[in-house]
Amino acid sequence: AAGVIQSPRHLIKEKRETATLKCYPIPRHDTVYWYQQGPGQDPQFLISFYEKMQSDKGSIPDRFSAQQFSDYHSELNMSSLELGDSALYFCASRSRDRSEKLFFGSGTQLSVL
Amino acid sequence: AQKITQTQPGMFVQEKEAVTLDCTYDTSDQSYGLFWYKQPSSGEMIFLIYQGSYDEQNATEGRYSLNFQKARKSANLVISASQLGDSAMYFCAMREGPEGSGYSTLTFGKGTMLLVSP
Repeated sequence: AAGVIQSPRHLIKEKRETATLKCYPIPRHDTVYWYQQGPGQDPQFLISFYEKMQSDKGSIPDRFSAQQFSDYHSELNMSSLELGDSALYFCASRSRDRSEKLFFGSGTQLSVL
Repeated sequence: AQKITQTQPGMFVQEKEAVTLDCTYDTSDQSYGLFWYKQPSSGEMIFLIYQGSYDEQNATEGRYSLNFQKARKSANLVISASQLGDSAMYFCAMREGPEGSGYSTLTFGKGTMLLVSP
């Protein structure tokens, strides 16, 4: 069965650079969530989208923005990267039938040097 | 205040034994959901089990069961017959608000590292 696809798997950037992370939800999933997990930390909710509209916002810095496109894939744009942005970024998706299960991708490991 | 508390930073269990991972939660909502996820060293987050606040029966999924005690606000995960492949970080998480909400988010606990020995 198709899963949530995230790309790239690993990303290395320098301070003050920009990064774009992509998420392709499971087919027929209309809700996408972004989470950030620092080293040894629990995942922290950043932002979510439902039917291409932002639905909820968590602890997402102003330097970050995200959107969901017409094909339901989502992109997280990160600018002016800081060392503290180094983390595992997860995307999760949820289905139209309002199943409670959130399916997570394998994550993008971002390292800011 | 912490919404999800996992008091066990680490747990050790021998293969084939059962283990219980603790989770307590704090919410004023009447409708909420509780989840357990497994995160192996490879990093992916794997859904294990879900319990809705109005579900009368404890959830079970294969070797996983959720011991839901609503009055005590606890949702412990029980893994029966542990296997070496169960070694991983386990996160308890909560969704506040009614089932079927279009965009409800999850709040995670700090996790419990489970190590299964031969």
